Amino acid sequence: QVQLVESGGGVVQPGGALRISCAASGFTFSSYGMHWVRQAPGKGLEWVAFIRYDVSSKYYADSVKGRFTISRDNSKNTLYLEMNSLRAEDTAVYHCAKDRSTILLRDFDYWGQGTLVTVSS
Amino acid sequence: AIQLTQSPSSLSASVGDRVTITCRASQGISSALAWYQQKPGKAPKLLIYDASSLESGVPSRFSGSGSGTDFTLTISSLQPEDFAIYYCQQFNSYPPITFGQGTRLEIK
Repeated sequence: QVQLVESGGGVVQPGGALRISCAASGFTFSSYGMHWVRQAPGKGLEWVAFIRYDVSSKYYADSVKGRFTISRDNSKNTLYLEMNSLRAEDTAVYHCAKDRSTILLRDFDYWGQGTLVTVSS
Repeated sequence: AIQLTQSPSSLSASVGDRVTITCRASQGISSALAWYQQKPGKAPKLLIYDASSLESGVPSRFSGSGSGTDFTLTISSLQPEDFAIYYCQQFNSYPPITFGQGTRLEIK
C-alpha cells in the first residue's frame, strides 16, 4: 500500500535552516507529482510547494518563495524540502502529499502523517 | 489567488443527521475541487475529487456537488466516526493551490 513517511523535523532558531524528507513506497514515485502542505498549530491547511514527476516544473507559495526549495530523488523514492531563513510563522507540521496526476496539479490522494518544524529561539 | 470560503465554520449535529457544508470560490473553478476530512493528530484524507467523484473506499454517505463557484459536501446520515474537520481545495488555477479555512463538525 502507499506510504509516505516524513522525517527531519525539529527545533531551529529564527534565520536558521532545515531539510525535511519524505520517503515514499507502494507506488511508482517517479511517475507522480508531489507536494508539501503545512499546518500551523491549531490552524488550517496551507499548500507550500509542488514538484512535477520529472522535475521539469516547481511551484511555490508566495510565503516561502525564495526561501524554500523542493526537490526529489527518484532513484531513492524520496522528496525533500530545503528550508532557509526560517521564521516563527514557518512553525507547522509539514505533510508530503502525492498528486493524483502524473502531469497536472490536482487533488492529493495520499498524505503522510507529517513532521513538526518549530522555529524558536 | 483563488480564495475558498467555507460555511459554516463550525457545526454541531447528531448521529443520523444529514449535514451539508458549502464551499464558495472567489472565481469560477469548473469542477476542480476536492474535499478532505481531517481528524485530530492525523493526516487529511481525500473524500471527493472533481467536485462529485467519490474516492475509492470512502463510504457512500459522503457526496459532493457543484461547479463554477458554489460547491457542497453532504453527509447523508452522520456516523460517530464522521466528527472531524472538513476542508475544500481547488486545483483549477495555480499556483497557488488553495484550501478553504475548514469546517469543524462536532457532536451535539
